[in-house]
Amino acid sequence: SQQGEEDPQALSIQEGENATMNCSYKTSINNLQWYRQNSGRGLVHLILIRSNEREKHSGRLRVTLDTSKKSSSLLITASRAADTASYFCATDAGNEKLTFGTGTRLTIIP
Amino acid sequence: DAGVTQSPTHLIKTRGQHVTLRCSPISGHKSVSWYQQVLGQGPQFIFQYYEKEERGRGNFPDRFSARQFPNYSSELNVNALLLGDSALYLCASSLFGLTYEQYFGPGTRLTVT
Repeated sequence: SQQGEEDPQALSIQEGENATMNCSYKTSINNLQWYRQNSGRGLVHLILIRSNEREKHSGRLRVTLDTSKKSSSLLITASRAADTASYFCATDAGNEKLTFGTGTRLTIIP
Repeated sequence: DAGVTQSPTHLIKTRGQHVTLRCSPISGHKSVSWYQQVLGQGPQFIFQYYEKEERGRGNFPDRFSARQFPNYSSELNVNALLLGDSALYLCASSLFGLTYEQYFGPGTRLTVT
């Protein structure tokens, strides 16, 4: 079963604009991770945020975590064509499983 | 350094057959986990192994099994294949388990006919 759900399911924006996608989950977590997947191949780790952190940055990526609302958001600033991919959140609830969400399909229009 | 490698890349099997998928983790990584990804969905957790012991198991039938070898490589075995087992099977490695970032291999595309 999917622990998390990403919103929106699909997003299309112009190159240079910012993209925001959200992840909601159901149970308490140790950490939440964001991954990118191109063309149905292997996933690439983007950012890991722990339950005691509220915000993390990595280059053009900004992740926030609100444990009271059981939600996280991923912001990609100044989008590029190469950012076109599917984005997944994954939660570690301390039960020796990593549970992925349903994904957001991001398309950057040149 | 080499990333996570998986073999084979593609595989076609018939219903009822057995399949073995292989994964080699990044050097120094002691944890390997397996995921099944059906087209259009997120990866579903199957197993996690750490130091050759099973640490976590997802909601998959007993037809699915795995093991980790002394060199930390891993095999995923699926018996009595069903059409619904057709998917991309992903392997990931990490230093110490699921509380650290996972490094994924390119996956094995399994088609069951």
